[in-house]
Amino acid sequence: GAVVSQHPSRVICKSGTSVKIECRSLDFQATTMFWYRQFPKQSLMLMATSNEGSKATYEQGVEKDKFLINHASLTLSTLTVTSAHPEDSSFYICSARGTGETEAFFGQGTRLTVV
Amino acid sequence: GQNIDQPTEMTATEGAIVQINCTYQTSGFNGLFWYQQHAGEAPTFLSYNVLDGLEEKGRFSSFLSRSKGYSYLLLKELQMKDSASYLCAGMDSNYQLIWGAGTKLIIKP
Repeated sequence: GAVVSQHPSRVICKSGTSVKIECRSLDFQATTMFWYRQFPKQSLMLMATSNEGSKATYEQGVEKDKFLINHASLTLSTLTVTSAHPEDSSFYICSARGTGETEAFFGQGTRLTVV
Repeated sequence: GQNIDQPTEMTATEGAIVQINCTYQTSGFNGLFWYQQHAGEAPTFLSYNVLDGLEEKGRFSSFLSRSKGYSYLLLKELQMKDSASYLCAGMDSNYQLIWGAGTKLIIKP
């Protein structure tokens, strides 16, 4: 299957700082990328959907000014958690889908801990 | 509304067979996915069904009945490494995935 690389896999940051998470499709063009958040023992919660070259569509309850998503190219999307707080600590996962495809491929996930 | 239901937890014995059920309600339907997720890791794709019937892939099989809004994942010859959460996800008319909460499968020796 296609490969999606997410970086970093783990990050610890201080409260009030910003953290950027990268999601790259290595061997296909990802026209759509999805960003999820997952709390322990819970299912994936879709945060936003981004299409290359356009603004991300955020799910209800997700603050777009806090979770900045950029999908500037067909192989890269970034999620920036701005002014992070301890309650932002979670597992963030991206997935990417090519044009006309139904299956989306997941990155490895990023474990964010805000102290 | 859209909804995916699957059991929270199941226990099975190594070498046995287990069936994990999933019922779904989506706005439109473009297929049903099963993913495996080990603790602390991202989900990995197992199967995709869009037509009725059984799809077999090695030790894992997935079944779909669109008229009943029902799917199951069948795992045969269970191994300890199969201990994980299994996520059922339905794809709606907008090609968005609606996720179930996952079924935690515990394998005992």
